Amino acid sequence: KAGVTQTPRYLIKTRGQQVTLSCSPISGHRSVSWYQQTPGQGLQFLFEYFSETQRNKGNFPGRFSGRQFSNSRSEMNVSTLELGDSALYLCASASRRTDTQYFGPGTRLTVL
Amino acid sequence: QKEVEQNSGPLSVPEGAIASLNCTYSDRGSQSFFWYRQYSGKSPELIMSIYSNGDKEDGRFTAQLNKASQYVSLLIRDSQPSDSATYLCAAQFDNYGQNFVFGPGTRLSVLP
Repeated sequence: KAGVTQTPRYLIKTRGQQVTLSCSPISGHRSVSWYQQTPGQGLQFLFEYFSETQRNKGNFPGRFSGRQFSNSRSEMNVSTLELGDSALYLCASASRRTDTQYFGPGTRLTVL
Repeated sequence: QKEVEQNSGPLSVPEGAIASLNCTYSDRGSQSFFWYRQYSGKSPELIMSIYSNGDKEDGRFTAQLNKASQYVSLLIRDSQPSDSATYLCAAQFDNYGQNFVFGPGTRLSVLP
């Protein structure tokens, strides 16, 4: 069974731009969670989607948004990028909300 | 607020020794616990999950759970340099709010 895939793997943007990241969960998984990880920091929870509905949201500004499609694929969007948004963005999928999360390889975003 | 705490390390052990990683959590409603390993620049990968009090062994890894003390540990026997990584503890709380919470991680260094 294929794992979680994320595209693109690397991205370079400039301040003020916006970016969209994509996540395809493991086949059959309906829960997708997004995390931000910066150097020296743990995993900061962004949001969780299940059955196309946002179930939980972390303490991030409204510039961070996401959505989930009927095939469980998910996208997250960051508008008006800031230097501090440079990070590894990780997507994790689970078959149910209470099941083990499996991570994708991540998208490394650099904001110049 | 649901929290998972770990010593950030670094924890240094000689090759062949037992590495002991510890984790505490704040909510007695926690049901499931997970250990992930993360190599520098990579995404977290699941090592083990544990749901019941006691020990669970998988190869060189043993997870221990004590719900009364709200304590989870991971023992790595015969540590190898390839075990050098950051180890993340995660707790799955009751199905309200953010239900998958990660600790900050402990950096383990196994010295040849």
